Amino acid sequence: DTGVSQNPRHKITKRGQNVTFRCDPISEHNRLYWYRQTLGQGPEFLTYFQNEAQLEKSRLLSDRFSAERPKGSFSTLEIQRTEQGDSAMYLCASSRQGAGSSPLHFGNGTRLTVT
Amino acid sequence: QKEVEQNSGPLSVPEGAIASLNCTYSDRGSQSFFWYRQYSGKSPELIMSIYSNGDKEDGRFTAQLNKASQYVSLLIRDSQPSDSATYLCAVIPKFGNEKLTFGTGTRLTIIP
Repeated sequence: DTGVSQNPRHKITKRGQNVTFRCDPISEHNRLYWYRQTLGQGPEFLTYFQNEAQLEKSRLLSDRFSAERPKGSFSTLEIQRTEQGDSAMYLCASSRQGAGSSPLHFGNGTRLTVT
Repeated sequence: QKEVEQNSGPLSVPEGAIASLNCTYSDRGSQSFFWYRQYSGKSPELIMSIYSNGDKEDGRFTAQLNKASQYVSLLIRDSQPSDSATYLCAVIPKFGNEKLTFGTGTRLTIIP
């Protein structure tokens, strides 16, 4: 169990640029979740995958956000035309079964700063 | 009304005392409840889960659930400085069995 890996750890970008983050879950986990966390707040759910299928997407996720999980392994989260309000920590988590019955294992996150 | 509410703190407790953290939730049909601990600059880690009314103990930690009052609490006995962290309450709402919804967290400081 090598844990959930996220890259990059930090990303600084200018407003209007596109960014892409990668998450490698724990290998035997078929659920993968993306959350966003801002200072002083709890993580906010963005989306989740069961294998390669994206099963739920939060209303927080505007059309500028897209996530993929090809082949049901790693996942990418892309933000197009970044805005300053996108600055946050983006957390990826994985679990063996559904979140109700199996703990979520979080990665160390990608901190995005939009200038 | 927020789905999961916590007092943001900070909560200061002397070393060796009992720390009591509270959480309320809005969806009466919620079935699964969790406490995560998050150290500053780190990601959340699960410390307790509870699914039925009553108490659940694990070492120095006790989770308490009262579904009638829509209330979840976490007690930390014999508090240690290493317990200083933000504690996040999280709930699976009835109709979103994969969407773990977090509160804003309570920042706990254990004073040596």
